[in-house]
Amino acid sequence: GENVEQHPSTLSVQEGDSAVIKCTYSDSASNYFPWYKQELGKGPQLIIDIRSNVGEKKDQRIAVTLNKTAKHFSLHITETQPEDSAVYFCAASLIQGAQKLVFGQGTRLTINP
Amino acid sequence: AAGVIQSPRHLIKEKRETATLKCYPIPRHDTVYWYQQGPGQDPQFLISFYEKMQSDKGSIPDRFSAQQFSDYHSELNMSSLELGDSALYFCASSPVGGSTDTQYFGPGTRLTVL
Repeated sequence: GENVEQHPSTLSVQEGDSAVIKCTYSDSASNYFPWYKQELGKGPQLIIDIRSNVGEKKDQRIAVTLNKTAKHFSLHITETQPEDSAVYFCAASLIQGAQKLVFGQGTRLTINP
Repeated sequence: AAGVIQSPRHLIKEKRETATLKCYPIPRHDTVYWYQQGPGQDPQFLISFYEKMQSDKGSIPDRFSAQQFSDYHSELNMSSLELGDSALYFCASSPVGGSTDTQYFGPGTRLTVL
């Protein structure tokens, strides 16, 4: 089955700097890669996703890149703000109807003012 | 916009008791997923339903069962509760057959087993 590895487990950056979180996946059949942000005591919130027919996707300060050959994808957050502090999870799945998400281990991002 | 609704939000049970968690998907979403998240861990898939039929099954103990009803809401039934069942339980829904299979998560139910 699919296995997703996520690094780093913790990340601390100064406000205004950029943050990068990386994930690798094992199953070359996976074709859908969402990123979720989870604040304390809340459910995961989708922040951006990418499908395997696209190499990069941007949404304001957030971008995701995908390298299908190397089987890794990354989340980039620019101009970080204190409200970006949270746990971020990457995940992998198949776009084939009701497919489960396999999550990475999570990255605790702290933005220092 | 309407979101996934889960109830109850918090639940405290004794060992060997039973618990029922409920999930109401986003309107017009026909697929429901259940995940379990232990402290400091990533969500682990338990089970999913599409159009009221079980779609996929993960590491769900035999003590747990779930179903999806005609109005698409789902219930996760947990029996003979153990201390290790203490966790956050999330429900997610998605509009399978639509333009995306994005899963939208609910706020979760925090289950504490004493």
